Amino acid sequence: AQSVAQPEDQVNVAEGNPLTVKCTYSVSGNPYLFWYVQYPNRGLQFLLKYITGDNLVKGSYGFEAEFNKSQTSFHLKKPSALVSDSALYFCAVNSGGFKTIFGAGTRLFVKA
Amino acid sequence: KAGVTQTPRYLIKTRGQQVTLSCSPISGHRSVSWYQQTPGQGLQFLFEYFSETQRNKGNFPGRFSGRQFSNSRSEMNVSTLELGDSALYLCASSLAWTDATTDTQYFGPGTRLTVL
Repeated sequence: AQSVAQPEDQVNVAEGNPLTVKCTYSVSGNPYLFWYVQYPNRGLQFLLKYITGDNLVKGSYGFEAEFNKSQTSFHLKKPSALVSDSALYFCAVNSGGFKTIFGAGTRLFVKA
Repeated sequence: KAGVTQTPRYLIKTRGQQVTLSCSPISGHRSVSWYQQTPGQGLQFLFEYFSETQRNKGNFPGRFSGRQFSNSRSEMNVSTLELGDSALYLCASSLAWTDATTDTQYFGPGTRLTVL
């Protein structure tokens, strides 16, 4: 069975500092990994995905994520956080043949 | 290109009633998935439809049902509403059946259902 974990319920970071939102996964085949962001009273917005190739994936709004096969991780990163980045972030995994599984979400607070 | 639309955006019902939610996918997308989002349970998969056929189903009781029309629009129905059904219901569309591809799912804004 496949699963995805976001070990932190909440991440706090000061504006201008780098941010990391963690995600680990467990699949039986090749992982397809996604990051989504949700702002209050909105649906999820796609940020980026890893299918194959370069381990560093660049996405929307300056976000990037690094696929690490040995650590089964796909952490979301941004070099300099903005207050407007404050939102709920979801990691998702699909290994083909199964439905996409979403993590529980991590709430990011960026303080001015 | 217009995004995923969901109607209504807000709904208030009482226990025992039934409700129907609608989702119109992005033009050209043939797959529609439904999710229930609650603070305690997070994002839970309900079901997925592709070409008018249910392809996947989550672990929800039979009170939750859905269907997809030939134009790919989808409806979700919940009968005999319970207090615990209060949630944000999200639908997502993708080009193809999500299990078979690496297509991205694009989400609508959701329908906020409150059961009193």
